[in-house]
Parts: sequence; structure tokens; C-alpha cells
Amino acid sequence: AAGVIQSPRHLIKEKRETATLKCYPIPRHDTVYWYQQGPGQDPQFLISFYEKMQSDKGSIPDRFSAQQFSDYHSELNMSSLELGDSALYFCASSLSSTSGTYEQYFGPGTRLTVT
Amino acid sequence: AQSVTQLGSHVSVSEGALVLLRCNYSSSVPPYLFWYVQYPNQGLQLLLKYTSAATLVKGINGFEAEFKKSETSFHLTKPSAHMRDAAEYFCAVNFGNEKLTFGTGTRLTIIP
Repeated sequence: AAGVIQSPRHLIKEKRETATLKCYPIPRHDTVYWYQQGPGQDPQFLISFYEKMQSDKGSIPDRFSAQQFSDYHSELNMSSLELGDSALYFCASSLSSTSGTYEQYFGPGTRLTVT
Repeated sequence: AQSVTQLGSHVSVSEGALVLLRCNYSSSVPPYLFWYVQYPNQGLQLLLKYTSAATLVKGINGFEAEFKKSETSFHLTKPSAHMRDAAEYFCAVNFGNEKLTFGTGTRLTIIP
């Protein structure tokens, strides 16, 4: 079965640079979520999109932006990178349904290291 | 706002022993509850979920969890631990098609 695809898997950037993370949800899934997991921490919600519209926003810095495209893939753009942005970034997708299960399927993550 | 609390950031059990990982939730309305497992340097894999159907939920890899409304708990258990169960386990909550709120995680170590 198809899973959530994230690219790149690893990314090394210097302070003040920009980074773009990509997420390809499971086919037919209509909702995409982005989470950030710092070292030794639990995942923290950043932002989500439902049918290409932003549906919720968490603790996402103003330096970050995201969007979902017509083919449902999503990109997380990060500018003016700081050392504290070093983390594992997960994308998850789900399918809205009347059954109400809404389980989120996670990608393998992108490990961002800012030096 | 909903939240989950995982008691015990580290749990060690002997191979073959019972695994019990604790999760308590705080919510004004019945939530959806999930357990995810994360192996080193990997993503999050869904173990099982509670969505207001049966209170005893069976998941993958021999894990199960019981939703107890009176105790606001959703503890994860496995009768017999295996070395491959060593990982980080996260309890999470939401109310449907929305963000997950995770607990702080429990690192499970299996003693040979």
C-alpha cells in the first residue's frame, strides 16, 4: 500500500538559509498535517490543510509557511533558519470520512540540521 | 483543551514479561485516542486507536489497550514483551479530523 512520502529525508542548512520540505500524501487523502519533533521530544503540531485550504495552525513560527497544491502535495517553507529549527519534521495525511476514524498516517520524516 | 499524560518516561521490562504503558487523557467530551510507536530514526507507526466503538482495542504486534472512561485512561499492554518491542511509544488524542496532541512519550527497554 502507498504511504506518505517525504523529501528530502535529510537536509543540512546553515543559519539564515532557507529550506523547503515536501510531502506527498497517501492517494485520495484530503488532509495533510505537519509536525515538528525536537530531539527527545514529542511531535508538536505546526499546520494542517484540508482540501488545499489551511484548516488549523499551531505553534508555527512566522518564518515558516506552508501550502497544499492542486495535486494535494504540500510544502513547508522555512526561512531565516535558526539552530533551534533542527528537528525531525513529519508530514501526516488522513481521509475525512463519515465513519469518523480519521487516523493519521505519518511519513518517515525529514531530519533538518541547522549548523 | 484536550491533553494526554504518559506516566513514566522510561519503562524497562524483561523479555517475556507483561508490558504496561500508562496514558491518561483530559477532555470535556469523549475523544479519539491513539497509540503510536517510533523506532529509532524512524517515523510514527499507528499501533491502535479508540474511536468510541469497543472499549478494548486490539492493535498490531500483539498490543492492546482498554478505554476506561471512569479512570480517563487508555493504557497500552502486551502480555509478553519481545526484544523487537524496544522503541518510543506515544499516546495521542484528537476529536476527529484535526491535529493530534501527543503525550511526552515512554521509552520502552526490553531486558534480555
